[in-house]
Amino acid sequence: EVQLVESGGGLVQPGGSLRVSCAASGFTFSTYWMSWVRQAPGKGLEWVANIRQDGSDKYYVDSMKGRFTISRDNAKNSLYLQINSLRAEDTAVYYCARDEGVGNHYFFHYWGQGTLVTVSS
Amino acid sequence: DIQMTQSPSSLSASVGDRVTITCRASQNINTYLNWYQQKPGKAPKLLIYAASSLQSGVPSRFSGSGSGTDFTLTINSLQPEDFASYYCQQSSILRSFGQGTKLEAK
Repeated sequence: EVQLVESGGGLVQPGGSLRVSCAASGFTFSTYWMSWVRQAPGKGLEWVANIRQDGSDKYYVDSMKGRFTISRDNAKNSLYLQINSLRAEDTAVYYCARDEGVGNHYFFHYWGQGTLVTVSS
Repeated sequence: DIQMTQSPSSLSASVGDRVTITCRASQNINTYLNWYQQKPGKAPKLLIYAASSLQSGVPSRFSGSGSGTDFTLTINSLQPEDFASYYCQQSSILRSFGQGTKLEAK
């Protein structure tokens, strides 16, 4: 059974940093692209970033370039998102998702349960 | 970035109704378009991929169509469990979501 379990969320002061993690199991982690998607309270879904199977390519939504860093450790079947200079508007549930495809059509079939990051003083 | 615009933002309907949600891309995305359903407090669920392919296990009352810049999600014979939020998402260039459509009971 495919499982994605996020952790590392919590209350952080503005300007602080945080790393959220996603532990993968039930599939060969090293053979899939992976993504982070976030959702602010009461708002819609926002794609944050994705990373190639071997970590050699990383892509970000323009508005998050610079403060967000996606990474992975295939030996530990884990995905990470480092967020620096946190702002109130970064308050959201952060989901990891398996970025998979049929042919060239990519979609998010498996998602974690999400971890809540709250930025407040 | 490719912008995705859904309409309507919210919608009221009754059990048994036929519902249509539209999604427009800011540029041609061929059929690189997916649809998700999300219920409160839960992760999104994939319904449709590649614009019109029904994900395994999803009821056949859900269907998708379109290509290029204009897409639709149709739910035939709305069921009580279908009241939720729906999102389109493109995978042509990077990834991006529409702002969502909240489907509520009339």
